[in-house]
Amino acid sequence: DAGVIQSPRHEVTEMGQEVTLRCKPISGHNSLFWYRQTMMRGLELLIYFNNNVPIDDSGMPEDRFSAKMPNASFSTLKIQPSEPRDSAVYFCASSRNELGKTQYFGPGTRLLVL
Amino acid sequence: AQSVSQHNHHVILSEAASLELGCNYSYGGTVNLFWYVQYPGQHLQLLLKYFSGDPLVKGIKGFEAEFIKSKFSFNLRKPSVQWSDTAEYFCAAAYTGAGSYQLTFGKGTKLSVIP
Repeated sequence: DAGVIQSPRHEVTEMGQEVTLRCKPISGHNSLFWYRQTMMRGLELLIYFNNNVPIDDSGMPEDRFSAKMPNASFSTLKIQPSEPRDSAVYFCASSRNELGKTQYFGPGTRLLVL
Repeated sequence: AQSVSQHNHHVILSEAASLELGCNYSYGGTVNLFWYVQYPGQHLQLLLKYFSGDPLVKGIKGFEAEFIKSKFSFNLRKPSVQWSDTAEYFCAAAYTGAGSYQLTFGKGTKLSVIP
């Protein structure tokens, strides 16, 4: 089975540019999570969806960040405009509630904002 | 509030030493418990999980964890570590009730194994 798929794997952009990160969860999973990981702050939950509906976005840093899940097989995390402090690894994870909520992580997107 | 605490920020061991990483959770109800491992430059991977039954859970790569309900603990153990176990280890908990979908992660413990 394919795992969680994220794209791009690496992104280098300049401050002020829009960045869009993409995630395809494991087929059949009904919850999707976006995390950010940095050396300073560790692993942070940004937002999560259940059945395509955002449940908790309290971890989203500010209005520059937005996330959507238009269907069960696709989600995006957008940063507009990007800033150097957004540089981090962004992970997407998915789970199936009926299977004990075990989360499976994607390979991550390494974002560098210059 | 629900929380997961990991006792050690960084543990340094020599190869063949035994490992025990502490994890405590605070939940009012029934929980599912997890340990994840993150090797350098990689994503989090599931090491083992506990839902119910035998409180001693065996995972991949020789790791095991013991759920002690009275102590709200789920410590990770390995009798003899290898250099390849160098990684960061995260403990996590999920409330099993309806309406809750997320895991609460601890802050992680970095393990460095010296050859």
